[in-house]
Amino acid sequence: GQNIDQPTEMTATEGAIVQINCTYQTSGFNGLFWYQQHAGEAPTFLSYNVLDGLEEKGRFSSFLSRSKGYSYLLLKELQMKDSASYLCAGVITGGGNKLTFGTGTQLKVEL
Amino acid sequence: DSGVTQTPKHLITATGQRVTLRCSPRSGDLSVYWYQQSLDQGLQFLIQYYNGEERAKGNILERFSAQQFPDLHSELNLSSLELGDSALYFCASSVGTGNYEQYFGPGTRLTVT
Repeated sequence: GQNIDQPTEMTATEGAIVQINCTYQTSGFNGLFWYQQHAGEAPTFLSYNVLDGLEEKGRFSSFLSRSKGYSYLLLKELQMKDSASYLCAGVITGGGNKLTFGTGTQLKVEL
Repeated sequence: DSGVTQTPKHLITATGQRVTLRCSPRSGDLSVYWYQQSLDQGLQFLIQYYNGEERAKGNILERFSAQQFPDLHSELNLSSLELGDSALYFCASSVGTGNYEQYFGPGTRLTVT
């Protein structure tokens, strides 16, 4: 199966940088997504990595190492509105675009 | 607003009943996905349809079924409901069936009493 592991909770300070890690089993892996989800709302797309390296998108960056089965999401210049759950999702090969989600990392941004 | 619509927003029903959840994908998207999100399980993939055909199946119970119609909207049917089926059900859509970004609808919150 495709196990996606990420920390349950993290706390960071407004204006700081935080890194949320995600590890996964590499078998059948074909890309990794990061989504943001505020409580009771729909997940919204943040980033997608299929090749090794860093993808930067404004305050958010995502990194992938396929050989290590490892990804991280980097959030810079944290704002209070960044308090949310961050979901790591791996794409499984073999028909369609089946995403396996981790349980999410609940990020709390404090003053 | 992602452009994906789901109805109803909330649904309260009793055990043993059957309900239908409806989803309209973004204009131009051919793929529709259904997910279940409960507090203890996280976001679980149920099933994917692409242009009317079932494309991928996840942890979908036999009591659950789905279909995608010619106009590309989709319905998720849940029958013989149990208390444990209480969850948020999300629909998502994407333009194709490759590694495309999925756009999520606002969800239907199902409460089984």
